[in-house]
Amino acid sequence: QQKVQQSPESLSVPEGGMASLNCTSSDRNFQYFWWYRQHSGEGPKALMSIFSDGDKKEGRFTAHLNKASLHVSLHIRDSQPSDSALYFCAASEVPGTGSNRLTFGKGTKFSLIP
Amino acid sequence: NAGVIQTPRHKVTGKGQEATLWCEPISGHSAVFWYRQTIVQGLEFLTYFRNQAPIDDSGMPKERFSAQMPNQSHSTLKIQSTQPQDSAVYLCASSLRTENERLFFGHGTKLSVL
Repeated sequence: QQKVQQSPESLSVPEGGMASLNCTSSDRNFQYFWWYRQHSGEGPKALMSIFSDGDKKEGRFTAHLNKASLHVSLHIRDSQPSDSALYFCAASEVPGTGSNRLTFGKGTKFSLIP
Repeated sequence: NAGVIQTPRHKVTGKGQEATLWCEPISGHSAVFWYRQTIVQGLEFLTYFRNQAPIDDSGMPKERFSAQMPNQSHSTLKIQSTQPQDSAVYLCASSLRTENERLFFGHGTKLSVL
């Protein structure tokens, strides 16, 4: 079973619209979450991290984490053409409990409706 | 800062041949990670080094894959007797430390095994 699951698989919104991406972990050891974005032909690039319950805002992006349910979401407002990309949720374990590697979900393909 | 540099960008090998992929991490970063990306499996962790020492190779197919980090400025991933199922984009990433640090990815090496 995939330890980090993302939904939806793909998402399209009009330019200027709002988008919501979801991520759930099935492993209680995963307590630290990241969102990465990958444009075609490039490596993934970190967007933001969230380690505490609640919201974290960075520009047009807001992440929300609920540690009790191990659910994290990413909200994109005022979507721009440059936002069209593959978005990954990634999780790592609490330091000291295991490897510090990041485990990635399979991604959400986000695109703008012209 | 040039970022993480991976060479070559594309590599084509015949079935049964050897492939060596190179990675130059960002100067000053102490951790180096290798991931493999395919459409079906997504981003899969392979192995990582901290201060040149191998820390976790739990994602490496043991028989034909090996990784080394002979000095702080480069790491190699070697695949012996390549098979068509090894075709993927191999991504290298580095981070300042290993705990809850953002990963900086290279553009990847696209390996095609014919």
